Amino acid sequence: QITLKESGPTQVNPTQTLTLTCSFSGFSLATSGVGVAWIRQPPGKALEWLALIYWDDDKRYSPSLKSRLTITKDTSRNQVVLTMTNMDPVDTATYYCSHSLFRIRAFDIWGQGTMVTVSS
Amino acid sequence: QSALTQPPSASGSPGQSVTISCTGTSSDVGGYNFVSWYQQHPGKAPKLIISEVSKRPSGVPDRFSGSKSGNTASLTVSGLQAEDEADYYCSSYAGRDNLGVFGTGTKVTVL
Repeated sequence: QITLKESGPTQVNPTQTLTLTCSFSGFSLATSGVGVAWIRQPPGKALEWLALIYWDDDKRYSPSLKSRLTITKDTSRNQVVLTMTNMDPVDTATYYCSHSLFRIRAFDIWGQGTMVTVSS
Repeated sequence: QSALTQPPSASGSPGQSVTISCTGTSSDVGGYNFVSWYQQHPGKAPKLIISEVSKRPSGVPDRFSGSKSGNTASLTVSGLQAEDEADYYCSSYAGRDNLGVFGTGTKVTVL
């Protein structure tokens, strides 16, 4: 059974850097074809894909946020970390991590999400 | 990359069918057979219900079906049930540098 769980601060100040961790079980990021993605959702708004890291350490970023994002993986600890620099109140959202298969280009198993508020 | 366009709302009575459209461009929906659909109940994480335009993951009822024509994909929910009341989002692969363009979302109400 695949499960994912996001963790990190619930509040950050404007201009600070956000660091979120996705801890998962039931699969390995060393397995060919597997990836972990980050997706966010501002309150009452639509989903937005942020970044994805594949089993081979290939990293992809949303074109509109690429300069602010870094995604890394720790295969031995079953974790993926997302950092987002220069946080702004418009970045207030629920941040989700999800399991993804290269074969289907979809996000098939999601974590419960973690709400992050950007405010001073 | 602009979001895919979905109608804000759709509704139907129990047992009826409802179809949601998802309009993109030849760079996303029209260019690849990697359209997926997600169901999201209030306060919950999204759930994948359709991948690769029309494939249902294990456990998803066959009341949910997907299709695509040109730059527009569609999700049909047949035999509406109360538990189908939720927000629905489409998503499309848009090339190696844009793995997931999401739609604007559609709220489905079961009357």
